[in-house]
Amino acid sequence: DAKTTQPPSMDCAEGRAANLPCNHSTISGNEYVYWYRQIHSQGPQYIIHGLKNNETNEMASLIITEDRKSSTLILPHATLRDTAVYYCIAPGNTNAGKSTFGDGTTLTVKP
Amino acid sequence: EAGVTQSPTHLIKTRGQQATLRCSPISGHTSVYWYQQALGLGLQFLLWYDEGEERNRGNFPPRFSGRQFPNYSSELNVNAMELEDSALYLCASSEDYTYEQYFGPGTRLTVT
Repeated sequence: DAKTTQPPSMDCAEGRAANLPCNHSTISGNEYVYWYRQIHSQGPQYIIHGLKNNETNEMASLIITEDRKSSTLILPHATLRDTAVYYCIAPGNTNAGKSTFGDGTTLTVKP
Repeated sequence: EAGVTQSPTHLIKTRGQQATLRCSPISGHTSVYWYQQALGLGLQFLLWYDEGEERNRGNFPPRFSGRQFPNYSSELNVNAMELEDSALYLCASSEDYTYEQYFGPGTRLTVT
């Protein structure tokens, strides 16, 4: 799986867009990027995933650069309930099932 | 649709004892994953089961083992427990060979 790098923490004002970056410069052509979040003491929650094209669902949007070396998760209108640790992973196919969750980004949404 | 369920919610054991944690996946999911999350640390991959077989394992000693039943539910066994086994144990399920994993609420294991 490709190594991912995320900033350790970010703040965002309530109601504003939260843009969480992830660097995955070693990603290979067929590796998807997945995003999860974990609210304190709960199980992680799947958010979104993508390969090349930008993706959007009811929770967030995922923007992947053309060279696929980085991506950005966008929460369009952050609320206090979006305060969580956000993980970006690129598990790949060679290490099937062995998802490596790093330290993630702690997003704090402030009123 | 019911999510991933885990039991028990909390478990307290003493050093050297054995524990069994249980997980029921989302209906239709055939893969089950187990993770360990010690306090303040990230998720550490433990085991992956699919179609009743162990497909992959993380860097944990053999005293961590498990199995998957024909109905795709799974159990994780921790033998000869040590103090450092105290952690939140999370189970996740997915459809065949995807990483779109759905997590349960976890079992908080405390070893004294």
